[in-house]
Amino acid sequence: SQTIHQWPATLVQPVGSPLSLECTVEGTSNPNLYWYRQAAGRGLQLLFYSVGIGQISSEVPQNLSASRPQDRQFILSSKKLLLSDSGFYLCAWSVEEVTEAFFGQGTRLTVV
Amino acid sequence: RKEVEQDPGPFNVPEGATVAFNCTYSNSASQSFFWYRQDCRKEPKLLMSVYSSGNEDGRFTAQLNRASQYISLLIRDSKLSDSATYLCVVNERGSASKIIFGSGTRLSIRP
Repeated sequence: SQTIHQWPATLVQPVGSPLSLECTVEGTSNPNLYWYRQAAGRGLQLLFYSVGIGQISSEVPQNLSASRPQDRQFILSSKKLLLSDSGFYLCAWSVEEVTEAFFGQGTRLTVV
Repeated sequence: RKEVEQDPGPFNVPEGATVAFNCTYSNSASQSFFWYRQDCRKEPKLLMSVYSSGNEDGRFTAQLNRASQYISLLIRDSKLSDSATYLCVVNERGSASKIIFGSGTRLSIRP
């Protein structure tokens, strides 16, 4: 069966520090991968999605970037965090024949 | 205009009541539709897919109207455990493969 791993679960980082969140999927090949952010009390905002290795589409111009170095690995990064980057970051995957998204458990990021 | 719009609520209803949520989407090329449930401080989880013919899963009924670009979810005989945020989701598929979430509707069931 397919599983998705996302870590860490909780992170507190100072303003101006770098960020790297990693997400890996097991049990499937060539998944579509997604990064979402959810601010407190708000909906999910699509940040990036990827349909293949090295293919990244950005939805919202911001302080973040994403990379997909391997088929089942998706990384969210920032060189310098802002206070406004705080939120709940969720990685998700889908495949063409199963069109819904399945989520990792999320990373709760607090920038202080 | 937002790609997927929902009434944020909150809906506060007594146990046993019937409650309905609505959602509209802007991209007429959207191909797949879903309702997700999200509990506080947890990741969203798939509740049910939404088909053009309408579909039912126990107390939950989902409807899709492609002409009006409108999706609905009906919960009958609501339980305390139904309290959560309900997210309307659209998959644009094709070359975009974007999965877009509405901002969610909060539901609170009172005893």
